[in-house]
Amino acid sequence: EDKVVQSPLSLVVHEGDTVTLNCSYEVTNFRSLLWYKQEKKAPTFLFMLTSSGIEKKSGRLSSILDKKELFSILNITATQTGDSAVYLCAVRNTGNQFYFGTGTSLTVIP
Amino acid sequence: SAVISQKPSRDICQRGTSLTIQCQVDSQVTMMFWYRQQPGQSLTLIATANQGSEATYESGFVIDKFPISRPNLTFSTLTVSNMSPEDSSIYLCSVPWNTEAFFGQGTRLTVV
Repeated sequence: EDKVVQSPLSLVVHEGDTVTLNCSYEVTNFRSLLWYKQEKKAPTFLFMLTSSGIEKKSGRLSSILDKKELFSILNITATQTGDSAVYLCAVRNTGNQFYFGTGTSLTVIP
Repeated sequence: SAVISQKPSRDICQRGTSLTIQCQVDSQVTMMFWYRQQPGQSLTLIATANQGSEATYESGFVIDKFPISRPNLTFSTLTVSNMSPEDSSIYLCSVPWNTEAFFGQGTRLTVV
C-alpha cells in the first residue's frame, strides 16, 4: 500500500530556532515529492523534488530528497512566528495520483 | 499556474441536508481531485473526477454519499449528501498542473 509518513506530528519551538521536518514514503512509480504549507485551508506550494541529493532553497527554507532511502527533509532556519503552520509532504506518482502525509504542525513561539 | 475558485468558503448545515461545492479552474484540466480534511488530519482523497467519465472513488467513499459532476474541463462539483456531524471537515478540490498540484481555497463545512 502506498503511504507517506511525516514526523514529528507536532513541534513547538521558539523564534530563531532551526527545525527539521521529516517525510518518508513508500509509493510505487514515484514521480516527485512535494512540500506544502497549510495555514488556514488551502495548502500553498513550497518545493518540488525529483532528484536525490539536490537541495532546493527558498529563503530560510530548504529541502532535499534521498530516493535511495525514500525520504525527504524540510529545514527551516531562524524560525519566525509566521512559519507557524501545518507542513504537508506529498508524493506524486506517474499516474498523477498524490499521496499526502499526515502533516507536521509547527508552532513558533515569540 | 492554475487558479481555482472554490465556493462556498464555509457553510453551517443541518444534518440530513445536502451541500454542493463548486470548483472553477481558469484553464482546461483533465483531472480534478476532491479531498476531505477532517480536524487534525491530513488530506484524504475522496475521488478523482475526469471529464466525460464517471468519477473514480477511493475506498470508503461512495457515489451516493458524494456525487460528483464534471460537465467540462474547467468545472466540477462535489455534493455532500444526507449530512451528519461526522461530515464536518474541510473539503478541497485540486488539479495537477505541470510539476505540482494547485488547490482551491477550501470549503469549511460544519454540520449541526
